[in-house]
Amino acid sequence: NAGVTQTPKFQVLKTGQSMTLQCAQDMNHEYMSWYRQDPGMGLRLIHYSVGAGITDQGEVPNGYNVSRSTTEDFPLRLLSAAPSQTSVYFCASSYSGVRYGYTFGSGTRLTVV
Amino acid sequence: AQSVTQPDIHITVSEGASLELRCNYSYGATPYLFWYVQSPGQGLQLLLKYFSGDTLVQGIKGFEAEFKRSQSSFNLRKPSVHWSDAAEYFCAVSGANNLFFGTGTRLTVIP
Repeated sequence: NAGVTQTPKFQVLKTGQSMTLQCAQDMNHEYMSWYRQDPGMGLRLIHYSVGAGITDQGEVPNGYNVSRSTTEDFPLRLLSAAPSQTSVYFCASSYSGVRYGYTFGSGTRLTVV
Repeated sequence: AQSVTQPDIHITVSEGASLELRCNYSYGATPYLFWYVQSPGQGLQLLLKYFSGDTLVQGIKGFEAEFKRSQSSFNLRKPSVHWSDAAEYFCAVSGANNLFFGTGTRLTVIP
């Protein structure tokens, strides 16, 4: 049981490049989310999913896309990277809703130059 | 709208001393409240959570938190801090499909 697995752990992108942050969980959790963590701002929700085929926007969705084709995977796509997207990204999952707390991955540290 | 305030950005305590980290929330109904800990370079680990019932909640690693509705607070406590407790601590309140996090309190433990 690996929990929530994020890849890569570190990434450097040039402005304008695109990339996909991978997130997979093996706990059969229905709820999955992507957060970004910036100094002094805590964690902010980018996108979330309540089940396969269902996604919705969070607080800061601009510049990011998601899809949920399977229960296990929830990739986050940066369409055209900008320096403002330099951050630490966390994927999280929950079996039966956010009210029961999330299990977090170990994060992806992204730098856009 | 839901929100969480952690008024202390950084706290320093001596090893063996007691600890209290403050958290105030804003939420219209009965809140679901959480404390998470983040060690450097790591993800967030759930310390404890409050749903309802007993207002004193026990968590992992010897931590506890007390829910006080009248003060809209959910403060985290530990009677004796260990050097390994040095980390960043986040309080969070649950919305419908989101966890709203505070900005965190960094804990430094000195020998």
